[in-house]
Amino acid sequence: GDSVTQTEGQVALSEEDFLTIHCNYSASGYPALFWYVQYPGEGPQFLFRASRDKEKGSSRGFEATYDKGTTSFHLRKASVQESDSAVYYCALGETNAYKVIFGKGTHLHVLP
Amino acid sequence: GGIITQTPKFLIGQEGQKLTLKCQQNFNHDTMYWYRQDSGKGLRLIYYSITENDLQKGDLSEGYDASREKKSSFSLTVTSAQKNEMAVFLCASSLSGGSAETLYFGSGTRLTVL
Repeated sequence: GDSVTQTEGQVALSEEDFLTIHCNYSASGYPALFWYVQYPGEGPQFLFRASRDKEKGSSRGFEATYDKGTTSFHLRKASVQESDSAVYYCALGETNAYKVIFGKGTHLHVLP
Repeated sequence: GGIITQTPKFLIGQEGQKLTLKCQQNFNHDTMYWYRQDSGKGLRLIYYSITENDLQKGDLSEGYDASREKKSSFSLTVTSAQKNEMAVFLCASSLSGGSAETLYFGSGTRLTVL
């Protein structure tokens, strides 16, 4: 079946560092790819999506590019802030279906 | 805008007990979902419903029942709580359920089984 793999379980950075969280997927066709962010005590919030090869999604300084060749959708931000500390989930919407499959999440800690 | 309300926020049960979690949405969305969130395991789909009275099993449906009697509400029942179980149950909705759509989540119900 379809799956999403996030390599990093935890990432610790200092403010103004560059962020990369790796996301790889396994699926047929062209699934929609998403990033969601979850702050403590809240449910996940939609960050952005991309639906076709080479499409870039972005929001709040975060961005990711859909790469079908490497089956990746890595999250990047040029300069993180303490307020970015949260759990980030990569997700995949199954092609021609209703299911959205989530990765295991990456806990980002940004130190002041 | 809209909101998803999950009740209760905290649920403490005993081993073997049947427990019900409730979810209400005022987005007027067609599709609703129940996910289970465990530390280190991400979000796993339990049940979803694409319209009123519809139920579809997800990957983790064993041990759970669900009910969608109204468009705006979706409930989940833990049929027999497992001792020492701890998890967060998240309800979500989307406009018409295509998997490319945005999911809107509630803030969750935290379950602890003694």
